[in-house]
Amino acid sequence: GAVVSQHPSWVICKSGTSVKIECRSLDFQATTMFWYRQFPKQSLMLMATSNEGSKATYEQGVEKDKFLINHASLTLSTLTVTSAHPEDSSFYICSASVGRNGGYTFGSGTRLTVV
Amino acid sequence: RKEVEQDPGPFNVPEGATVAFNCTYSNSASQSFFWYRQDCRKEPKLLMSVYSSGNEDGRFTAQLNRASQYISLLIRDSKLSDSATYLCVVIRGGGADGLTFGKGTHLIIQP
Repeated sequence: GAVVSQHPSWVICKSGTSVKIECRSLDFQATTMFWYRQFPKQSLMLMATSNEGSKATYEQGVEKDKFLINHASLTLSTLTVTSAHPEDSSFYICSASVGRNGGYTFGSGTRLTVV
Repeated sequence: RKEVEQDPGPFNVPEGATVAFNCTYSNSASQSFFWYRQDCRKEPKLLMSVYSSGNEDGRFTAQLNRASQYISLLIRDSKLSDSATYLCVVIRGGGADGLTFGKGTHLIIQP
């Protein structure tokens, strides 16, 4: 089946640094990748939709200059959390659609802790 | 009003019991509906799609009521391994839209 590989699984970084999270589609081409984050005991919230070769579409309230998304190829999308702060600590997860009938496959997620 | 609402639980039920929970969605134009399962600190995994005609997969039955804008999930003969958070998920529109998740309903199956 379709697999999305997400790295790193977890990262601890200092305030002010930037962290890059990668998602790769291993056996299919993902023209669209979705980025979510989940705070403890909260639902997954869509942050942005990443389209190969074009600018990402951000959801309301998500700062595009803080969460940089690059989708340069059909198999790779990256999310960079710039100048991270403790309030950015969260579970970040990517997802790609592989069909209309629930065919959304998820990466394994990245747990970011900013200290 | 939240786009997708679920009772967060937790629902504590004994092994072998039948349990059901619902969710409601606010956007009447929503087109596709799913139940996902999420284990602690893991990514969500698709459990099943939901159709107006009902959808059954083994011990799991899902139902969509478009008129009332709610979705249900029924689990029969519950197993310990069914303990998880069940996420109600809606696609807002057509095309390549992201998923809108409910907060999830936490289910605990007790031996």
